[in-house]
Amino acid sequence: DGGITQSPKYLFRKEGQNVTLSCEQNLNHDAMYWYRQDPGQGLRLIYYSQIVNDFQKGDIAEGYSVSREKKESFPLTVTSAQKNPTAFYLCASSKSGRATDTQYFGPGTRLTVL
Amino acid sequence: SQKIEQNSEALNIQEGKTATLTCNYTNYSPAYLQWYRQDPGRGPVFLLLIRENEKEKRKERLKVTFDTTLKQSLFHITASQPADSATYLCALDPSGNTGKLIFGQGTTLQVKP
Repeated sequence: DGGITQSPKYLFRKEGQNVTLSCEQNLNHDAMYWYRQDPGQGLRLIYYSQIVNDFQKGDIAEGYSVSREKKESFPLTVTSAQKNPTAFYLCASSKSGRATDTQYFGPGTRLTVL
Repeated sequence: SQKIEQNSEALNIQEGKTATLTCNYTNYSPAYLQWYRQDPGRGPVFLLLIRENEKEKRKERLKVTFDTTLKQSLFHITASQPADSATYLCALDPSGNTGKLIFGQGTTLQVKP
C-alpha cells in the first residue's frame, strides 16, 4: 500500500525532554510538510521541505527541528525550547510542492507534555 | 493582516438537505483554493481544488465556488448524509508556487438522520 505513516500515534513527554516524531512516505513525493493542530485552530505549518537535504521554516518553527536526509523520511524533533508542545502533529507530502498539488496527510501523532 | 476564516460554529443540518460552508480570506490573492475533510483524530483528506478562473467545480455531491471579488469560497454538499459529518477545512497557497498551505480553522458539519 502506498501512503504516509507517522509514529508513534501517542507520545508523552516530560518537561525538558526532546522527542522525535517519525514521518515516512512511499509515494515517491518530493515535498514533505509538518503541521501542528490545536483545538479550535487550523493547521499551522512548522517546517517544509521541497527536496532532499533542504528545508525551510514555516510559521511556527521555534522550538522545533527537522532533517531531510532521505526522500521518504522527514522526522520532526520537538525540543525543550518549545514551551507549549502539547498538540496534534500532522505530517504531509505532495508530489512536487506546487500550489496545485494535493497534500496527503498521515494519521497524526498526539503529543502530551506531562 | 492576512487571514483565512471559516465559520467556527458547528453547522447542524437534517439528512437530505444541502450543507453550505463558507471560507473567507483577506489580504491574499490566491490562484488556487483547496478543500479538505478531517475526521476526529485523523489527518485531513483532500476533496477539491478550484482555480481562480473557475467559478465553480463539482465532484459527485460536492460543489465549490470561488469568488475572487468577494474573496470567498463556498463549499456545498447536496443530499447530505450522516456519513458527511466531519470538519471541513479550506486552504490556500499565498505564494502560489511552494505548496505552503495556509489553513482555515475548519467548520464542523453534523448531519442528523
